Amino acid sequence: QPVLTQPPSSSASPGESARLTCTLPSDINVGSYNIYWYQQKPGSPPRYLLYYYSDSDKGQGSGVPSRFSGSKDASANTGILLISGLQSEDEADYYCMIWPSNAHVVFGGGTKLTVL
Amino acid sequence: QVQLQESGPGLVKPSETLSLTCTVSGGSISSYYWSWIRQPPGKGLEWIGYIYYSGSTNYNPSLKSRVTISVDTSKNQFSLKLSSVTAADTAVYYCARLLVVPAAPLYWFDPWGQGTLVTVSS
Repeated sequence: QPVLTQPPSSSASPGESARLTCTLPSDINVGSYNIYWYQQKPGSPPRYLLYYYSDSDKGQGSGVPSRFSGSKDASANTGILLISGLQSEDEADYYCMIWPSNAHVVFGGGTKLTVL
Repeated sequence: QVQLQESGPGLVKPSETLSLTCTVSGGSISSYYWSWIRQPPGKGLEWIGYIYYSGSTNYNPSLKSRVTISVDTSKNQFSLKLSSVTAADTAVYYCARLLVVPAAPLYWFDPWGQGTLVTVSS
């Protein structure tokens, strides 16, 4: 079962951008996978945000603002969630997920985003 | 708009079987996949397994020996049984619809139920 590594915490100021990372183990190529992102606010269930495979293959969850976007850094074997124009309501935990073929769902450990 | 609601005992004794039901409203359970996911207090998400409305299942290998997920299309419900529970099974249990685009392939969980806390304690 692969392990997805997310920094436990991140912070940014309102109006700035936040870049949350999800690093895959070295034996799994990020370029081969859809990276899914979820947002979870305290006391609420996770909410599906988006998936990213490439600039030509990506999708936004229903009602998710366009200031949430995905990307990849192949050199770091990492999936990225970018949140631009940060708002106080974006303060939440963010989880990445992959679903390797012939395998099973894997979630990252989550990143707690604080909007200062 | 599809909504999901978990129900079941909030307290289960060690070594016993945890049983939860997820009721789907606002849409039919047919033609979709349905899943259970849990979250220990203060920790991350762990996928438990999923079931197709026809009854086929797929489970997390780490829990497979103890998990059974079933579906009752007549009641628009699906259920989770987790046997031989220990304190490590204490968690908020979520049910969720698993959306699948096989040709892509794409898989994502949406929507989720509100979750129910199950505590394993004597």
